[in-house]
Amino acid sequence: DTEVTQTPKHLVMGMTNKKSLKCEQHMGHRAMYWYKQKAKKPPELMFVYSYEKLSINESVPSRFSPECPNSSLLNLHLHALQPEDSALYLCASSLGLYSNQPQHFGDGTRLSIL
Amino acid sequence: ELKVEQNPLFLSMQEGKNYTIYCNYSTTSDRLYWYRQDPGKSLESLFVLLSNGAVKQEGRLMASLDTKARLSTLHITAAVHDLSATYFCAVDPLMEYGNKLVFGAGTILRVKS
Repeated sequence: DTEVTQTPKHLVMGMTNKKSLKCEQHMGHRAMYWYKQKAKKPPELMFVYSYEKLSINESVPSRFSPECPNSSLLNLHLHALQPEDSALYLCASSLGLYSNQPQHFGDGTRLSIL
Repeated sequence: ELKVEQNPLFLSMQEGKNYTIYCNYSTTSDRLYWYRQDPGKSLESLFVLLSNGAVKQEGRLMASLDTKARLSTLHITAAVHDLSATYFCAVDPLMEYGNKLVFGAGTILRVKS
């Protein structure tokens, strides 16, 4: 079991649907991250939050909308996705934005766009 | 732009053999991380290397960092089947906006009996 919890584990949605991915950690970490991972590829950073404020947006299309309601919770809102957005979406957290401690990853949400 | 290169990308090993995975990166950094990923699973942190000459060992795995050569190695000793997984190195380029990992392509390790 990982200390970063992601729900749902699997999600199938149509291109016109709106859905959200949820990530939760209770380790007192103040930095949280969203990554996208395609099959047999490394994770690619999408967004970074620090103290509930968006710190980095890696030029992600606006159909992905992140939200950090509090220091333990990170959401990723999805709307009008494309088939190429099908991937494993990983959430991670770390002590802080400048911490040298490793990021802790959740098990991910496997997203399929029909 | 920071580039992180791993090789080999695929490694098929016999049980009991030794081998090394290499991770080269293109800009100055003294923060390097090794992660393991099993199929369909999360990334598990293996090692954190934070200075030139750092060496960490856990079981049959040993990682080292040479910041002058911009090279990290992950050495596998007497491989066992349980080590089969994908291994990623990741470098933190220490940008002013904080911890941002750039991953290598990953090495798929298969240990055969």
